[in-house]
Amino acid sequence: DSGVTQTPKHLITATGQRVTLRCSPRSGDLSVYWYQQSLDQGLQFLIQYYNGEERAKGNILERFSAQQFPDLHSELNLSSLELGDSALYFCASSPRGVAGTYEQYFGPGTRLTVT
Amino acid sequence: GESVGLHLPTLSVQEGDNSIINCAYSNSASDYFIWYKQESGKGPQFIIDIRSNMDKRQGQRVTVLLNKTVKHLSLQIAATQPGDSAVYFCAESPGYSTLTFGKGTMLLVSP
Repeated sequence: DSGVTQTPKHLITATGQRVTLRCSPRSGDLSVYWYQQSLDQGLQFLIQYYNGEERAKGNILERFSAQQFPDLHSELNLSSLELGDSALYFCASSPRGVAGTYEQYFGPGTRLTVT
Repeated sequence: GESVGLHLPTLSVQEGDNSIINCAYSNSASDYFIWYKQESGKGPQFIIDIRSNMDKRQGQRVTVLLNKTVKHLSLQIAATQPGDSAVYFCAESPGYSTLTFGKGTMLLVSP
């Protein structure tokens, strides 16, 4: 158990809908990262938040957004869902996000199926 | 369980053998490297990391080797066990906080 929690574990929804995925980082970790994992693309970095502020952006679509709250939990919002958004979404956390890079600890993931 | 990739390179070994998983990275500016293990239906699990000022680092039953000249990283697992069966990912970072993951290698360990 990494200490990172994600809810829900599974999510099935229809095209065009909007969903919210939730992540609670390990105790004391200030950085939260979101990743998408699909069969053909592997693990793709989406976005990072550090202590409530956006720190880095990867291959995140404009239909997707995220935020990190004062209690450091984070939410990833996916809107206008398409079939191609079906994937595993992972959250990871690490203690730092400013200087250098340190290991990230991953949650169990949310499996999103868009029908 | 969840399948994380249908066309991954696969390494098949016998229990007790040593395993070597290789990774070629792309960014010559990368100075931090990390290996993750992902079992079916689970999130990636941190194994070991190494910074570019080192060329070898050892953990429990695992060793990571870094060759910056040819941009190559390897993970050696000693006395491989059936519980080591998983997909192994290398990842690189050029010093800021984003990691770029490789496609992964599936390790299959036969008893």
